[in-house]
Amino acid sequence: GAVVSQHPSWVICKSGTSVKIECRSLDFQATTMFWYRQFPKQSLMLMATSNEGSKATYEQGVEKDKFLINHASLTLSTLTVTSAHPEDSSFYICSARDLYEGFSYEQYFGPGTRLTVT
Amino acid sequence: QKEVEQDPGPLSVPEGAIVSLNCTYSNSAFQYFMWYRQYSRKGPELLMYTYSSGNKEDGRFTAQVDKSSKYISLFIRDSQPSDSATYLCAMSLTTSGTYKYIFGTGTRLKVLA
Repeated sequence: GAVVSQHPSWVICKSGTSVKIECRSLDFQATTMFWYRQFPKQSLMLMATSNEGSKATYEQGVEKDKFLINHASLTLSTLTVTSAHPEDSSFYICSARDLYEGFSYEQYFGPGTRLTVT
Repeated sequence: QKEVEQDPGPLSVPEGAIVSLNCTYSNSAFQYFMWYRQYSRKGPELLMYTYSSGNKEDGRFTAQVDKSSKYISLFIRDSQPSDSATYLCAMSLTTSGTYKYIFGTGTRLKVLA
């Protein structure tokens, strides 16, 4: 089956620093990747949709200058949390859609990255 | 009104019970209906998907969709402690090149041994 990896799985950083999270589709090509944030005991909140070779589309209320998304290839998207603050501490999950997937239902999820900002 | 409504639980059941998880939705344009299982601190994994009204069975899991009532359900038979997780419903549609994918809030399920 399709596998999506994320790196790192867990990161602790100091307030004011930037953190980059990578999302890779390992055995398929993904034109579209999604970035979600999940707070404890809450559902996934879509932050942005990342399309290969073009600018990401951010959901309302998500600061594009704070959460920088780059989708440089069909297998890699990165999320950079700039000038992180404690309120950015959360579980960040990416997902990817297969380039050749003919249906609109399937997203393959990564294992998530837990960010703790101290 | 949220597009997708799901009772957050928690729901506790004894081992072997039949579990019923439900979601309602308001957008009749949704085309695909999915159920995901998410263990603590892990990414969601797809359990079931369907695109038509009716039932779809896979092992101990049955997904049910009633488009006329805008209601979907996931039934788990002979529930096991390993089924303890958060179950998220999700719905998607594609229209005019726009792809939309909405998750429910998730229902936390605990199956007691």
